[in-house]
Amino acid sequence: DVKVTQSSRYLVKRTGEKVFLECVQDMDHENMFWYRQDPGLGLRLIYFSYDVKMKEKGDIPEGYSVSREKKERFSLILESASTNQTSMYLCASSLGQAGDEQYFGPGTRLTVT
Amino acid sequence: GENVEQHPSTLSVQEGDSAVIKCTYSDSASNYFPWYKQELGKGPQLIIDIRSNVGEKKDQRIAVTLNKTAKHFSLHITETQPEDSAVYFCAARNNFNKFYFGSGTKLNVKP
Repeated sequence: DVKVTQSSRYLVKRTGEKVFLECVQDMDHENMFWYRQDPGLGLRLIYFSYDVKMKEKGDIPEGYSVSREKKERFSLILESASTNQTSMYLCASSLGQAGDEQYFGPGTRLTVT
Repeated sequence: GENVEQHPSTLSVQEGDSAVIKCTYSDSASNYFPWYKQELGKGPQLIIDIRSNVGEKKDQRIAVTLNKTAKHFSLHITETQPEDSAVYFCAARNNFNKFYFGSGTKLNVKP
């Protein structure tokens, strides 16, 4: 079974802090994704990566950056956390160039106070 | 970019009844349409998917239909059970391997 793990289930940070969210997958998937999930808005793509050191902006990249130094790990960075970044963050991975099924992690609920 | 709309936002059915959730999309180049189920405290999990060259797909009590001309696709769950209660998301993937999700449907199956 594919397993996607996220470093924290719950996180509370203060405004202005630098925040790192880590995601690891164990199935050698090429593609990795970061989404945020907000009530009534579904999942919105922040960034994705189709290879090590490669990244592509999603629909809402402002205020975020990512890092993919190793194939299995994809990090989401909030350079200076703000209250409007309070949300559920979901990481996903998929196989191949046109990978179909996305496997999601359990999510990290981030609260910025 | 792609825009996916999902209806209804909440759906309550009696156990044993059928449930239907509908989604529309805007980008005619979208080629893959998955449906995800998200239970409380968990990440979304794929339950069924359909490609743009297929009109219908069925897996036991779950089926998905796709109308490319009208740009809409639907999830059908028959003989619903309490364990079907969850939030369901539709999604569409475009030519650039980006997924666009609907806003979700909270399904409540009453015993």
